[in-house]
Amino acid sequence: GESVGLHLPTLSVQEGDNSIINCAYSNSASDYFIWYKQESGKGPQFIIDIRSNMDKRQGQRVTVLLNKTVKHLSLQIAATQPGDSAVYFCAENTGFQKLVFGTGTRLLVSP
Amino acid sequence: DTGVSQNPRHKITKRGQNVTFRCDPISEHNRLYWYRQTLGQGPEFLTYFQNEAQLEKSRLLSDRFSAERPKGSFSTLEIQRTEQGDSAMYLCASSLARQDAEAFFGQGTRLTVV
Repeated sequence: GESVGLHLPTLSVQEGDNSIINCAYSNSASDYFIWYKQESGKGPQFIIDIRSNMDKRQGQRVTVLLNKTVKHLSLQIAATQPGDSAVYFCAENTGFQKLVFGTGTRLLVSP
Repeated sequence: DTGVSQNPRHKITKRGQNVTFRCDPISEHNRLYWYRQTLGQGPEFLTYFQNEAQLEKSRLLSDRFSAERPKGSFSTLEIQRTEQGDSAMYLCASSLARQDAEAFFGQGTRLTVV
């Protein structure tokens, strides 16, 4: 079946660096993706989303890139801060917020 | 606090017992979702409601699981005859009934079956 998966389980960066978290998907018909941040003991929190008619979308310190040719998306976090430490999930919205999540990447930010 | 509220936060139960979790969504949200998350994995969709109607159930939702949303507001998820494999975080989310509406998650109920 369709799956959304992540390349790296853990990413360690220094405070102030830029972070890039990658995600691959398998269904070429997928057209709506969302990045979530999950801190320990909390539920996932929406960060940014992107539809397939776009290849880039920017938010505050975050940018999502979508490459439909290779079925890959990435989340870029600029000037990473200790508060960014969390697990990040990409998810496909298959319709009406029925989400298919990937496994997750743990981001560790050291001062 | 006007976010999604889940109770209890933690539940430890013996195998074979029944458990029930409650979710109070954001008040104006008519869609409510249940997900299950095991350690190191992403959340997995279980079921969702629009108002009081349960519109979809995942095949993960065995017949020991039942979810209700009797008045279209809060929802309960019951697990009967719990098994150790049911140990997980059970997450509830809610949203408006729009294709692009953001889903807001609660903090989850962590179930441990011993």
